[in-house]
Amino acid sequence: NAGVTQTPKFQVLKTGQSMTLQCAQDMNHNSMYWYRQDPGMGLRLIYYSASEGTTDKGEVPNGYNVSRLNKREFSLRLESAAPSQTSVYFCASSFTDQPQHFGDGTRLSIL
Amino acid sequence: QKEVEQDPGPLSVPEGAIVSLNCTYSNSAFQYFMWYRQYSRKGPELLMYTYSSGNKEDGRFTAQVDKSSKYISLFIRDSQPSDSATYLCAMSAKGFQKLVFGTGTRLLVSP
Repeated sequence: NAGVTQTPKFQVLKTGQSMTLQCAQDMNHNSMYWYRQDPGMGLRLIYYSASEGTTDKGEVPNGYNVSRLNKREFSLRLESAAPSQTSVYFCASSFTDQPQHFGDGTRLSIL
Repeated sequence: QKEVEQDPGPLSVPEGAIVSLNCTYSNSAFQYFMWYRQYSRKGPELLMYTYSSGNKEDGRFTAQVDKSSKYISLFIRDSQPSDSATYLCAMSAKGFQKLVFGTGTRLLVSP
């Protein structure tokens, strides 16, 4: 039972490089989310997708884009990475009226 | 001031102790309250959730919500070394989608 799968688990980028973080869920959830987790800041919502075909901004969307590829997959893209985007990124999914389930994260360092 | 405040700890207790973890919040519209447990280098795992005020018990864990004081608690009875983790509170005004997280409290249970 995989749940929420994130790839890659670790990545190091140089400033200005682009990258796409992948997320897939096998629980038939309709909603999916991207968060970043930084020390002392807690989890902050970047973007979410309430259902296939829709995406909305969260608290910290600047510098990111997302794509809800299908019901299972929700990707996060950094077009031009900046050191301030060094963080641990978590994907989550849920049914609309149920709590969110999280993946194990992608640790991203930008030099 | 953050919407949700949580003492970062660490909170160190001996095995078998009763643990009390707490969050305070400022938004009186919050009605959905969740506790997540996060082990090192893993994603948050849902422990419990409650709606509005009151208590909820699940095994060794009890969640309490006091909306009049804007204060929520998680109690862990007979704490075990395996309970050593970071505990995150999360809450929202409407449903489970737009969550606001606390920064987490690190708990260490020594044998």
